[in-house]
Amino acid sequence: DSGVTQTPKHLITATGQRVTLRCSPRSGDLSVYWYQQSLDQGLQFLIQYYNGEERAKGNILERFSAQQFPDLHSELNLSSLELGDSALYFCASSSLTSLNNEQFFGPGTRLTVL
Amino acid sequence: ILNVEQSPQSLHVQEGDSTNFTCSFPSSNFYALHWYRWETAKSPEALFVMTLNGDEKKKGRISATLNTKEGYSYLYIKGSQPEDSATYLCASLFGNEKLTFGTGTRLTIIP
Repeated sequence: DSGVTQTPKHLITATGQRVTLRCSPRSGDLSVYWYQQSLDQGLQFLIQYYNGEERAKGNILERFSAQQFPDLHSELNLSSLELGDSALYFCASSSLTSLNNEQFFGPGTRLTVL
Repeated sequence: ILNVEQSPQSLHVQEGDSTNFTCSFPSSNFYALHWYRWETAKSPEALFVMTLNGDEKKKGRISATLNTKEGYSYLYIKGSQPEDSATYLCASLFGNEKLTFGTGTRLTIIP
């Protein structure tokens, strides 16, 4: 158990809908990272927040957005969902701001878009 | 496009044997190299983060080396055990902003 929690574990929704994925980092970690694992693309870095501020951006679509709240939990919002958004979404946390630090991954949220 | 490539894609190794696999990445604007161990139905677990050319890191029977000038890293497992069966992912950080993952090497240890 890494200490990172994600909810929900599974989510099934329809195309065109909007969902919110939630992540709570390890106690004391200020950085939260979001990743997408899809069958055809492998693990893709989406975005990083550090202490409430966006720190780094990867391959995140415009339909997706994220935020980190004062209590350091983070939410990833996915809107206008398409079939291709079906994937496993991981959140990770670390204590420092830089991407060259060890990250601790949560169990993931599996999103299925029908 | 920043490509991080891992080889082989999959590997079967007899229990007790040692093995190694490769992560290749563009050497320009390199910042750091991550190795992760990912067991089926679990989440990735960090093994190493390496930044300096010539770096060698070790954790138990697993070790890794880094060559930033030629753009590769090797992961070694000595005396493989069944619990080593997993997918091993590497990810390269370019310019401290873009973390790019390889597709992994799936290792199966045969008892």
